[in-house]
Amino acid sequence: GDSVTQTEGPVTLSEGTSLTVNCSYETKQYPTLFWYVQYPGEGPQLLFKVPKANEKGSNRGFEATYNKEATSFHLQKASVQESDSAVYYCARVLWVICSGANYNVLYFGSGTKLTVEP
Amino acid sequence: ETAVFQTPNYHVTQVGNEVSFNCKQTLGHDTMYWYKQDSKKLLKIMFSYNNKQLIVNETVPRRFSPQSSDKAHLNLRIKSVEPEDSAVYLCASRGTGAQDTQYFGPGTRLLVL
Repeated sequence: GDSVTQTEGPVTLSEGTSLTVNCSYETKQYPTLFWYVQYPGEGPQLLFKVPKANEKGSNRGFEATYNKEATSFHLQKASVQESDSAVYYCARVLWVICSGANYNVLYFGSGTKLTVEP
Repeated sequence: ETAVFQTPNYHVTQVGNEVSFNCKQTLGHDTMYWYKQDSKKLLKIMFSYNNKQLIVNETVPRRFSPQSSDKAHLNLRIKSVEPEDSAVYLCASRGTGAQDTQYFGPGTRLLVL
């Protein structure tokens, strides 16, 4: 299939500790991969994206490497802060054919809720 | 900077009523979406509209219907709401490139009593 699977939540960490949220994808292609973050009371927003296999994306101290061989895109941060408490989503592009034209949609993983305690 | 606007923020209603949620985007995008986010934060795509053409409809109950007057607006109507419709409904828009970012609105929280 073309699914995205990520770490089951919730995850609770102490401030200053490291974070890894696993994300794996199934596909025969190399889609653009995304990490989105949703803070309480807001809609999801892009954290970063990586369009090419074996490249790295990063933003706000978070990073992920698009690992083509392992079909993984794990999110990492060396030292989390209380303000990082949010839900994190891994996502990929899927192509849909409609009326002879190709359109793309984003499919999201199940989300991982992170709580960082002071 | 907000570019996808949703109204209302919250809506509380009784079982069997009809509700309508509005969404507008100012990004000039051709494609808009509606997602349902349940209490476990699972994001499920409901509809995708490209220039008023329905592209994706993921086994959504028929009481849900998207309504669009132009490519900047995509509303969601629910006829005869049911308790399981209680959720956050998120609107989003996106460009047509494979690498384009999807931008979300703040969501409308629906509570069905």
